[in-house]
Amino acid sequence: GNSVTQMEGPVTLSEEAFLTINCTYTATGYPSLFWYVQYPGEGLQLLLKATKADDKGSNKGFEATYRKETTSFHLEKGSVQVSDSAVYFCATEGDGGGFKTIFGAGTRLFVKA
Amino acid sequence: EAGVAQSPRYKIIEKRQSVAFWCNPISGHATLYWYQQILGQGPKLLIQFQNNGVVDDSQLPKDRFSAERLKGVDSTLKIQPAKLEDSAVYLCASRQGSGGYEQYFGPGTRLTVT
Repeated sequence: GNSVTQMEGPVTLSEEAFLTINCTYTATGYPSLFWYVQYPGEGLQLLLKATKADDKGSNKGFEATYRKETTSFHLEKGSVQVSDSAVYFCATEGDGGGFKTIFGAGTRLFVKA
Repeated sequence: EAGVAQSPRYKIIEKRQSVAFWCNPISGHATLYWYQQILGQGPKLLIQFQNNGVVDDSQLPKDRFSAERLKGVDSTLKIQPAKLEDSAVYLCASRQGSGGYEQYFGPGTRLTVT
């Protein structure tokens, strides 16, 4: 079945710093890839997704590119804000995992003013 | 549009007691999921319903966990008897169809077993 590995946290950055959270996956075939975000006290919500190789998902200044050759889907943002402090989950779905969503362990991001 | 509703939000029980969680998905969403999220881990799928039928319950500990989806709408997840390792947040999610549609998550129920 599919699996997801993402970098351990917590990640602590100053406001306006560049963010990268690494995510790699294993899957048979070509799964869809997702980043979900969980803000403090709130439920999980979809941040962005990509459904095929070389697709770039983007939302709220965050971006991630589906890299089949490196089986990666790293999350990036050019300038983080305090309001981006949250837990970020990388996930896969489809192709070898059915339509079951497989989540990584999550990476907690703290952004300091 | 109303989101996915879950209750209760918090529950504390002693081991060997039973507990039930309730989920009301977004109206019209055919697919409903229950996930278990242990502290420091990502959500793990327990069971998936398509309307009122079970699609995947391969990771549901069936000796103590049970779930049903009444009339293809609301769902309940029950644990009987609870163990200490069941302490977790139980998330309900729904989507309009299966693959290709966005999953919407409820706020979760935080269960503490003492």
